[in-house]
Amino acid sequence: GQQLNQSPQSMFIQEGEDVSMNCTSSSIFNTWLWYKQDPGEGPVLLIALYKAGELTSNGRLTAQFGITRKDSFLNISASIPSDVGIYFCAGLPAPQTSGSRLTFGEGTQLTVNP
Amino acid sequence: EPEVTQTPSHQVTQMGQEVILRCVPISNHLYFYWYRQILGQKVEFLVSFYNNEISEKSEIFDDQFSVERPDGSNFTLKIRSTKLEDSAMYFCASKKGYVQETQYFGPGTRLLVL
Repeated sequence: GQQLNQSPQSMFIQEGEDVSMNCTSSSIFNTWLWYKQDPGEGPVLLIALYKAGELTSNGRLTAQFGITRKDSFLNISASIPSDVGIYFCAGLPAPQTSGSRLTFGEGTQLTVNP
Repeated sequence: EPEVTQTPSHQVTQMGQEVILRCVPISNHLYFYWYRQILGQKVEFLVSFYNNEISEKSEIFDDQFSVERPDGSNFTLKIRSTKLEDSAMYFCASKKGYVQETQYFGPGTRLLVL
């Protein structure tokens, strides 16, 4: 099946620092989604990307849909303690399946030290 | 803002017992999904459902699993005879239409099989 390689696996940063994480695949994706998951809760959508090259911001978060359609990155600027959590990329592979199943990355565990 | 809701939040069951996990998708959404997340791992697709039938299912979704939309609001996942390895967080998700690819996740049901 489709595989998404997400890196880094974990990050330990100081409050105020910028963060960057990315997902890559050997196959093409039609849609990239970035989710954040807090312990014991469901993934919460942060940013959705639908076109190759698309760059979208949501507050301090910026994500881009790679031009090759095989990668995406998420940047968080000026991190704050509440940014702590696990960040997942998820993609809708091409060709699109009948059920539009999402493939998830392994997640990036972010820790922000005040 | 409309949300996907799930009940129960936690379920403990004995191996071999049947469990039913319940979801109420966002009201005007047409596509419904179940995913699972084993502790510490990534989110995995189980099944998608549209127009009262399964659109796609993964290799995880074997004969022990079934889904149903018994009325206009609920979407259920049944596990007929639970196994120890079914212990996981189960997430329901929904999306509005075929073009809109963003899937919104519920808070999850933590299932523990003893």
